[in-house]
Amino acid sequence: QSALTQPASVSGSPGQSITISCSGTSSDIGNYNYVSWYQQHPGKAPKLMIYDVTNRPSGVSARFSGSKSGNTASLTISGLQAEDEADYYCSSYTSSNILEVFGTGTKVTVL
Amino acid sequence: EVQLVQSGGEVKKAGESLKISCKCSGYRFGTYWIGWVRQMPGKGLELMGIIFPGDSDTRYSPSFQGQVTISADRSISTAYLQWSSLKASDSAMYYCARRGFSGSKWFDPWGQGTLVTVSS
Repeated sequence: QSALTQPASVSGSPGQSITISCSGTSSDIGNYNYVSWYQQHPGKAPKLMIYDVTNRPSGVSARFSGSKSGNTASLTISGLQAEDEADYYCSSYTSSNILEVFGTGTKVTVL
Repeated sequence: EVQLVQSGGEVKKAGESLKISCKCSGYRFGTYWIGWVRQMPGKGLELMGIIFPGDSDTRYSPSFQGQVTISADRSISTAYLQWSSLKASDSAMYYCARRGFSGSKWFDPWGQGTLVTVSS
């Protein structure tokens, strides 16, 4: 099972909005609403930011939102802040091996 | 508070065996899946497999089937990841993480990670 495809990097200025895409297939993103997003700061463990495409866990800022269209999911960060600078990974359940597969990861830089 | 605390970093030689642990607390250990995730240096996340401690049902991602063994001990609320013969390519950070409520496909929270270094 190949990893989901994400852009290697995305950048934006403080206060701007950015969107990270996550491209999959009809065996994963396209057929299941089991997309999640994780934030990972350098040297730290990943942190769940979005689950089941659009849901935010308690304690996660409302500036983070998720969506899906066809075989592509997206994470939008609005009102970009310095602390949002991190790596972001998408994940989706896949029928190929009955487990989840992660995306290739996107480095977000706040200019 | 749900917490997953992993064992400390390991430095091993190729061919040696290793078992790392993930001590879980703050919830009923037997009722949530636990997953193990590999992150090689400078690379992305890879799900290795998951285990349901309640009945030890274990599932492996194809790339890791036969390469590692995932297990759990309900009596001490601890999950394990083990290798019988390490390779230099097993050098990585390994995270354990708890899946959400029944049927969910996301992980939260995560352990702090265990760094495994294997010399050839």
